[in-house]
Amino acid sequence: GAVVSQHPSRVICKSGTSVKIECRSLDFQATTMFWYRQFPKQSLMLMATSNEGSKATYEQGVEKDKFLINHASLTLSTLTVTSAHPEDSSFYICSARDQGTGGYEQYFGPGTRLTVT
Amino acid sequence: KQEVTQIPAALSVPEGENLVLNCSFTDSAIYNLQWFRQDPGKGLTSLLLIQSSQREQTSGRLNASLDKSSGRSTLYIAASQPGDSATYLCAVRPGGTSYGKLTFGQGTILTVHP
Repeated sequence: GAVVSQHPSRVICKSGTSVKIECRSLDFQATTMFWYRQFPKQSLMLMATSNEGSKATYEQGVEKDKFLINHASLTLSTLTVTSAHPEDSSFYICSARDQGTGGYEQYFGPGTRLTVT
Repeated sequence: KQEVTQIPAALSVPEGENLVLNCSFTDSAIYNLQWFRQDPGKGLTSLLLIQSSQREQTSGRLNASLDKSSGRSTLYIAASQPGDSATYLCAVRPGGTSYGKLTFGQGTILTVHP
């Protein structure tokens, strides 16, 4: 099946620094990728939809200047958490839509655990 | 706004039992419904996807049913095993196109003990 990778799997950073998370579709092209956030024992909340070659669409309440998304190619999207604070600590999961299956199959990455100290 | 609810929130069963996980959604105008498995600290693995025109899907010991008009889906796991222990999430995609955004339930934490 289709594989989505994320890097890094875990990152610890100091408050005020920025962190970049990469999401790659390894064996398919994805014009659309999604970024989710998951707090402990809670479900996934969609943060933004990333479209290749255009600006991301952010969900209500998500600060676009804080969570910078770039989808520069059909296989790579990045999420940069700028000026991170402890409340940004969370599990971030990306997902990529496989265009080859008619567009409705979404595959999820393994997630990135961000801890801001 | 679509809301997805999963019951129970947690379930602990002995190995070998058959079990049912429930998912309900408020807006029946869905395109499809998907069941996922999430192991602790990991991403999501798709288990079954049911299109809105379908009533059920089966994969091995898993069977998912969909009653769109009543806004309900169930995931049936036969002969449960300790390896089935995980969080199970259901998610719905709104109707209209295949490009709608998934809305997730809170998940059911399943523990199967030997």
